[in-house]
Amino acid sequence: EPEVTQTPSHQVTQMGQEVILRCVPISNHLYFYWYRQILGQKVEFLVSFYNNEISEKSEIFDDQFSVERPDGSNFTLKIRSTKLEDSAMYFCASSDSENTGELFFGEGSRLTVL
Amino acid sequence: AQRVTQPEKLLSVFKGAPVELKCNYSYSGSPELFWYVQYSRQRLQLLLRHISRESIKGFTADLNKGETSFHLKKPFAQEEDSAMYYCALSPDSNYQLIWGAGTKLIIKP
Repeated sequence: EPEVTQTPSHQVTQMGQEVILRCVPISNHLYFYWYRQILGQKVEFLVSFYNNEISEKSEIFDDQFSVERPDGSNFTLKIRSTKLEDSAMYFCASSDSENTGELFFGEGSRLTVL
Repeated sequence: AQRVTQPEKLLSVFKGAPVELKCNYSYSGSPELFWYVQYSRQRLQLLLRHISRESIKGFTADLNKGETSFHLKKPFAQEEDSAMYYCALSPDSNYQLIWGAGTKLIIKP
């Protein structure tokens, strides 16, 4: 069964460093998402991506964040200059339609900013 | 404001007992509601959605617009139901899901 894969599973970085989190969505899916969950808090929407551009983004997704689909298979989330409060589990998700109602999630990438 | 509330952080019941995980939402339009589940060491996965009106793994959930609720129910809990359960709302069907805080369900043998 096809799955969304995310790498790395855990990354530790120093404050101010750039981080790239990688995701390989399910191959025939067209809609891609990043969510995050700070420890002990709710899952929060960051951004949705369709047709090689951002379709929606939340207030959290400020200028420090960017997404890219560099090669038709990977979907990356970049944090330019990490802050302590960026420490969280980051989930990638994909779906084959905007209206089917099912998001397929990766296992998450845990980011720890020191 | 759009919000999903799951009042119970933890729910512990005995195997065979009925289970109800509560979810209330705040949204002025016609939302789509979902339950996602995360078993230990596994990824988040869709359990059920209100528009499909189906029963998955014995779980059902009915959207009550009057009470703005979407409680998840199962008549007889099983040990394998132990997991984290998240209620989520999709405003305007665009899948910027708004999540509840989650309820950890523990089924005691």
